[in-house]
Amino acid sequence: QKEVEQNSGPLSVPEGAIASLNCTYSDRGSQSFFWYRQYSGKSPELIMSIYSNGDQEDGRFTAQLNKASQYVSLLIRDSQPSDSATYLCAANNAGNMLTFGGGTRLMVKP
Amino acid sequence: DAGVIQSPRHEVTEMGQEVTLRCKPISGHNSLFWYRQTMMRGLELLIYFNNNVPIDDSGMPEDRFSAKMPNASFSTLKIQPSEPRDSAVYFCASSIRGPNNSPLHFGNGTRLTVT
Repeated sequence: QKEVEQNSGPLSVPEGAIASLNCTYSDRGSQSFFWYRQYSGKSPELIMSIYSNGDQEDGRFTAQLNKASQYVSLLIRDSQPSDSATYLCAANNAGNMLTFGGGTRLMVKP
Repeated sequence: DAGVIQSPRHEVTEMGQEVTLRCKPISGHNSLFWYRQTMMRGLELLIYFNNNVPIDDSGMPEDRFSAKMPNASFSTLKIQPSEPRDSAVYFCASSIRGPNNSPLHFGNGTRLTVT
């Protein structure tokens, strides 16, 4: 079992809708969680960081963390076609290194 | 800031040849990571350096892979001999301190094809 699990998708949403991306992790010692966006043929870029239970908002993006359930999510409000990409969830492990999930491919249809 | 710089962007080589990938981290970053990305296995951590010292190389697939960081501004990942299953995109990333509370900044990657 991978340490960080994501549904590979694709997740298809219409333009203007809310896209909800989910991630679970197995290491209860993980303290830091990140969402990266990766366009096809490009490198991952950080879009959100979250370190404590609850919500963290940045513009159209909201990251949610529930350590009891070992669950992290990313909400994208007012989805745009330019949001179409693969979203990678990452968590630090006991060795303080980042482990990435397999990514969820998001498609926003105009 | 120039960001993390990797070279070459693309590398095509024949099985059995030596391949060397290069990385220049962001100035002031003291942690450097090498990742490999494939469709089947996603993004895998190969090795992690902190202050030029290898901290964890448990992700290095086998002895054919080696990595060095002779100084704070340069690292190499070498594959010798290369095999077709090594074909992947190899990313270098850097951060300040470790990845905890410090986001990784990725280079543009090297797409390696071994025929």
